[in-house]
Amino acid sequence: GAVVSQHPSWVICKSGTSVKIECRSLDFQATTMFWYRQFPKQSLMLMATSNEGSKATYEQGVEKDKFLINHASLTLSTLTVTSAHPEDSSFYICSASGRATGNSYETQYFGPGTRLLVL
Amino acid sequence: AQSVSQHNHHVILSEAASLELGCNYSYGGTVNLFWYVQYPGQHLQLLLKYFSGDPLVKGIKGFEAEFIKSKFSFNLRKPSVQWSDTAEYFCAVNDPLPYGGATNKLIFGTGTLLAVQP
Repeated sequence: GAVVSQHPSWVICKSGTSVKIECRSLDFQATTMFWYRQFPKQSLMLMATSNEGSKATYEQGVEKDKFLINHASLTLSTLTVTSAHPEDSSFYICSASGRATGNSYETQYFGPGTRLLVL
Repeated sequence: AQSVSQHNHHVILSEAASLELGCNYSYGGTVNLFWYVQYPGQHLQLLLKYFSGDPLVKGIKGFEAEFIKSKFSFNLRKPSVQWSDTAEYFCAVNDPLPYGGATNKLIFGTGTLLAVQP
Protein backbone atom coordinates (compact mmCIF):
# COMPACT_ATOMS: atom_id res chain seq x y z
CA GLY A 1 0.00 0.00 0.00
CA ALA A 2 0.83 3.73 0.01
CA VAL A 3 1.96 4.03 -3.59
CA VAL A 4 2.55 7.40 -5.20
CA SER A 5 3.05 7.84 -8.92
CA GLN A 6 4.32 10.74 -10.98
CA HIS A 7 3.87 11.51 -14.63
CA PRO A 8 5.84 12.08 -16.72
CA SER A 9 9.02 10.47 -15.46
CA TRP A 10 11.08 12.80 -17.60
CA VAL A 11 10.40 15.74 -19.89
CA ILE A 12 12.48 17.90 -22.20
CA CYS A 13 11.05 21.24 -23.25
CA LYS A 14 12.03 24.49 -24.89
CA SER A 15 12.68 27.60 -22.87
CA GLY A 16 9.51 29.64 -22.42
CA THR A 17 7.08 26.75 -22.49
CA SER A 18 5.05 25.43 -19.55
CA VAL A 19 5.30 21.93 -18.19
CA LYS A 20 2.75 20.12 -16.04
CA ILE A 21 3.74 17.30 -13.69
CA GLU A 22 1.13 15.06 -12.08
CA CYS A 23 1.35 13.35 -8.73
CA ARG A 24 -1.16 10.68 -7.78
CA SER A 25 -1.72 8.63 -4.65
CA LEU A 26 -2.87 5.29 -5.99
CA ASP A 27 -4.23 3.48 -2.97
CA PHE A 28 -4.92 6.07 -0.30
CA GLN A 29 -6.41 9.50 0.12
CA ALA A 30 -3.69 12.10 0.29
CA THR A 31 -4.93 14.95 2.43
CA THR A 32 -1.58 16.67 1.99
CA MET A 33 0.86 16.58 -0.88
CA PHE A 34 4.33 18.03 -0.99
CA TRP A 35 6.52 19.12 -3.88
CA TYR A 36 10.29 18.95 -3.62
CA ARG A 37 13.16 19.83 -5.85
CA GLN A 38 16.41 17.89 -5.76
CA PHE A 39 19.62 19.22 -7.23
CA PRO A 40 22.48 16.89 -8.13
CA LYS A 41 24.31 15.64 -5.06
CA GLN A 42 22.07 17.69 -2.78
CA SER A 43 19.18 16.98 -0.51
CA LEU A 44 15.52 17.50 -1.20
CA MET A 45 14.33 21.07 -0.94
CA LEU A 46 10.69 21.52 -0.07
CA MET A 47 8.98 23.86 -2.51
CA ALA A 48 5.41 23.85 -1.30
CA THR A 49 2.77 22.03 0.69
CA SER A 50 -0.72 21.59 -0.64
CA ASN A 51 -3.84 20.47 1.15
CA GLU A 52 -6.77 19.21 -0.87
CA GLY A 53 -9.09 22.03 -1.79
CA SER A 54 -6.84 24.77 -0.44
CA LYS A 55 -4.20 27.04 -1.87
CA ALA A 56 -0.67 25.74 -1.63
CA THR A 57 1.72 27.08 0.97
CA TYR A 58 5.04 27.96 -0.62
CA GLU A 59 8.40 27.92 1.06
CA GLN A 60 10.44 31.09 1.26
CA GLY A 61 12.14 31.88 -2.02
CA VAL A 62 9.83 29.77 -4.19
CA GLU A 63 7.90 31.81 -6.74
CA LYS A 64 4.25 30.84 -6.55
CA ASP A 65 3.47 32.38 -9.94
CA LYS A 66 6.17 30.30 -11.56
CA PHE A 67 5.41 27.01 -9.85
CA LEU A 68 1.65 26.63 -9.91
CA ILE A 69 0.29 23.90 -7.69
CA ASN A 70 -3.20 22.51 -7.81
CA HIS A 71 -4.55 19.88 -5.43
CA ALA A 72 -8.05 19.42 -6.73
CA SER A 73 -8.76 15.98 -5.34
CA LEU A 74 -7.57 13.65 -2.60
CA THR A 75 -5.56 11.62 -5.09
CA LEU A 76 -4.12 14.18 -7.49
CA SER A 77 -1.86 17.19 -7.29
CA THR A 78 -0.24 18.96 -10.20
CA LEU A 79 2.82 21.17 -10.45
CA THR A 80 3.04 23.45 -13.48
CA VAL A 81 6.36 25.08 -14.22
CA THR A 82 5.37 28.17 -16.17
CA SER A 83 7.64 29.83 -18.73
CA ALA A 84 10.38 27.35 -17.98
CA HIS A 85 14.01 28.41 -18.20
CA PRO A 86 17.18 26.31 -18.21
CA GLU A 87 17.76 27.06 -14.52
CA ASP A 88 14.47 25.28 -13.77
CA SER A 89 16.03 22.04 -14.97
CA SER A 90 15.97 19.72 -12.00
CA PHE A 91 14.49 16.61 -10.46
CA TYR A 92 11.02 17.28 -9.07
CA ILE A 93 9.62 14.88 -6.49
CA CYS A 94 6.22 14.77 -4.92
CA SER A 95 5.14 13.05 -1.76
CA ALA A 96 1.80 12.41 -0.17
CA SER A 97 0.59 11.89 3.33
CA GLY A 98 -2.77 10.76 4.55
CA ARG A 99 -4.53 7.97 6.34
CA ALA A 100 -2.82 5.10 4.58
CA THR A 101 -3.41 1.72 6.14
CA GLY A 102 -1.36 1.30 9.29
CA ASN A 103 0.24 4.73 9.17
CA SER A 104 -0.43 8.10 10.66
CA TYR A 105 -0.65 11.27 8.65
CA GLU A 106 2.90 12.28 9.47
CA THR A 107 4.47 9.67 7.19
CA GLN A 108 5.15 10.83 3.67
CA TYR A 109 5.25 8.48 0.69
CA PHE A 110 7.30 9.58 -2.25
CA GLY A 111 6.75 9.43 -5.96
CA PRO A 112 9.53 8.33 -8.33
CA GLY A 113 10.30 11.89 -9.43
CA THR A 114 10.21 13.77 -12.72
CA ARG A 115 13.39 14.88 -14.40
CA LEU A 116 12.91 18.18 -16.23
CA LEU A 117 15.39 19.46 -18.79
CA VAL A 118 14.77 22.89 -20.24
CA LEU A 119 16.73 23.68 -23.38
CA ALA B 1 14.23 26.62 12.68
CA GLN B 2 14.81 22.93 12.59
CA SER B 3 17.88 21.68 10.73
CA VAL B 4 19.23 18.19 10.13
CA SER B 5 22.87 17.23 9.78
CA GLN B 6 24.29 14.09 8.25
CA HIS B 7 28.01 14.24 8.77
CA ASN B 8 29.02 11.41 6.47
CA HIS B 9 28.59 12.36 2.83
CA HIS B 10 30.11 9.17 1.46
CA VAL B 11 30.67 5.84 3.15
CA ILE B 12 32.38 2.87 1.54
CA LEU B 13 32.16 -0.51 3.24
CA SER B 14 32.87 -4.11 2.42
CA GLU B 15 30.09 -6.67 2.62
CA ALA B 16 29.42 -7.95 6.14
CA ALA B 17 30.83 -4.80 7.73
CA SER B 18 28.74 -2.99 10.30
CA LEU B 19 27.15 0.32 9.43
CA GLU B 20 26.35 3.41 11.45
CA LEU B 21 25.20 6.62 9.77
CA GLY B 22 24.96 9.73 11.88
CA CYS B 23 22.00 12.08 12.02
CA ASN B 24 21.63 15.08 14.31
CA TYR B 25 18.84 17.62 14.48
CA SER B 26 18.81 21.04 16.04
CA TYR B 27 15.42 21.63 17.67
CA GLY B 28 14.82 19.85 20.93
CA GLY B 29 11.05 19.83 21.22
CA THR B 30 8.66 17.14 20.07
CA VAL B 31 10.15 15.44 17.06
CA ASN B 32 9.16 12.75 14.61
CA LEU B 33 12.21 11.19 12.99
CA PHE B 34 12.58 9.26 9.77
CA TRP B 35 15.16 7.49 7.69
CA TYR B 36 14.51 7.17 3.97
CA VAL B 37 16.56 5.23 1.42
CA GLN B 38 16.93 5.91 -2.29
CA TYR B 39 18.29 3.00 -4.30
CA PRO B 40 19.90 3.83 -7.65
CA GLY B 41 17.23 4.88 -10.12
CA GLN B 42 14.42 4.45 -7.63
CA HIS B 43 12.27 6.70 -5.48
CA LEU B 44 12.63 7.42 -1.80
CA GLN B 45 11.39 4.64 0.42
CA LEU B 46 10.71 4.74 4.13
CA LEU B 47 13.18 2.62 6.12
CA LEU B 48 11.93 3.37 9.60
CA LYS B 49 10.42 6.08 11.75
CA TYR B 50 10.24 7.17 15.36
CA PHE B 51 7.26 8.99 16.84
CA SER B 52 7.32 7.95 20.50
CA GLY B 53 7.92 4.98 22.77
CA ASP B 54 10.92 2.67 22.57
CA PRO B 55 13.83 4.80 21.33
CA LEU B 56 15.31 1.81 19.50
CA VAL B 57 13.35 1.47 16.30
CA LYS B 58 13.50 -1.53 13.99
CA GLY B 59 12.94 -0.97 10.30
CA ILE B 60 12.89 -2.96 7.12
CA LYS B 61 15.83 -4.92 5.68
CA GLY B 62 17.56 -5.32 9.05
CA PHE B 63 18.04 -1.62 9.73
CA GLU B 64 17.51 -0.02 13.11
CA ALA B 65 17.93 3.45 14.54
CA GLU B 66 18.27 4.78 18.05
CA PHE B 67 16.75 8.04 19.22
CA ILE B 68 18.95 9.67 21.85
CA LYS B 69 17.16 12.78 23.00
CA SER B 70 20.07 14.16 25.02
CA LYS B 71 22.31 14.02 21.97
CA PHE B 72 19.68 15.21 19.47
CA SER B 73 20.61 12.17 17.44
CA PHE B 74 18.89 9.44 15.44
CA ASN B 75 21.68 7.27 14.05
CA LEU B 76 20.98 4.48 11.59
CA ARG B 77 22.63 1.10 12.08
CA LYS B 78 22.90 -2.28 10.43
CA PRO B 79 25.11 -5.04 11.85
CA SER B 80 26.10 -6.55 8.50
CA VAL B 81 25.66 -4.73 5.20
CA GLN B 82 25.09 -6.32 1.83
CA TRP B 83 25.96 -5.15 -1.66
CA SER B 84 22.24 -4.49 -2.21
CA ASP B 85 22.33 -1.84 0.54
CA THR B 86 24.23 0.45 -1.82
CA ALA B 87 22.04 3.54 -1.90
CA GLU B 88 21.65 7.06 -0.63
CA TYR B 89 20.25 7.42 2.88
CA PHE B 90 18.36 10.47 4.08
CA CYS B 91 17.50 11.40 7.63
CA ALA B 92 14.44 13.62 8.05
CA VAL B 93 12.63 15.34 10.88
CA ASN B 94 9.18 16.90 11.07
CA ASP B 95 9.22 20.68 11.22
CA PRO B 96 8.23 21.71 14.76
CA LEU B 97 5.38 24.03 15.59
CA PRO B 98 6.20 27.13 17.71
CA TYR B 99 4.16 26.00 20.71
CA GLY B 100 4.77 22.28 20.65
CA GLY B 101 3.98 19.39 18.38
CA ALA B 102 5.12 19.10 14.80
CA THR B 103 3.83 19.78 11.34
CA ASN B 104 3.92 17.11 8.70
CA LYS B 105 6.55 19.04 6.73
CA LEU B 106 9.85 17.21 6.55
CA ILE B 107 13.27 18.73 6.91
CA PHE B 108 15.86 16.53 5.19
CA GLY B 109 19.53 16.05 5.82
CA THR B 110 21.92 16.25 2.89
CA GLY B 111 22.07 12.48 2.52
CA THR B 112 24.79 9.88 2.85
CA LEU B 113 25.84 7.84 -0.13
CA LEU B 114 26.68 4.29 0.92
CA ALA B 115 28.68 2.08 -1.41
CA VAL B 116 29.07 -1.55 -0.41
CA GLN B 117 31.86 -3.44 -2.12
CA PRO B 118 31.20 -7.13 -2.81
